[in-house]
Amino acid sequence: GDSVTQMEGPVTLSEEAFLTINCTYTATGYPSLFWYVQYPGEGLQLLLKATKADDKGSNKGFEATYRKETTSFHLEKGSVQVSDSAVYFCALSENGGATNKLIFGTGTLLAVQP
Amino acid sequence: DSGVTQTPKHLITATGQRVTLRCSPRSGDLSVYWYQQSLDQGLQFLIQYYNGEERAKGNILERFSAQQFPDLHSELNLSSLELGDSALYFCASSVTGGSEQFFGPGTRLTVL
Repeated sequence: GDSVTQMEGPVTLSEEAFLTINCTYTATGYPSLFWYVQYPGEGLQLLLKATKADDKGSNKGFEATYRKETTSFHLEKGSVQVSDSAVYFCALSENGGATNKLIFGTGTLLAVQP
Repeated sequence: DSGVTQTPKHLITATGQRVTLRCSPRSGDLSVYWYQQSLDQGLQFLIQYYNGEERAKGNILERFSAQQFPDLHSELNLSSLELGDSALYFCASSVTGGSEQFFGPGTRLTVL
């Protein structure tokens, strides 16, 4: 079945450092890809998405490019802030199927230190 | 604020009991999804409803059931609760035919 694999956390960075969180996927079709963020004590918020190969999703300085050839959707940010500390989830959903349920990776905890 | 509401925010109960979690989707969204977030299983899809009809089932136990009412709110019923059912239960909603889902704040269930 479809699956998402994320790099293990926690990731600890200093403020203004460059962030990369790796995400790869396995899917039989052509899924849409997402990054969700969960701040402490809150629900999930959609951070960015891409619906087809070579699309780049971006939001709040974060970006990720849908790479079909490497089945990847790595999250990057050039300069992290303390306020970016959260758990980040990579997810996919099938396009054109009977359901667009989300399949999530295990999540990566990011801790940014001042 | 995603526009999706869930009640209650916290629920503490005992093993063997039954509880009902409630979700109101965003205005105009016909699809409702339930997810479970636990330490050992991560975030897992449970079930999806579309305009009152069950659309898809995931890793939902037989002790759990859900429904979506004519006003489109949804309820997740958990019965014969076990310690392992302790988790965060999220509801999400989406527009017809769209893949973007908006999540509620979750209900934290603690089974003692």
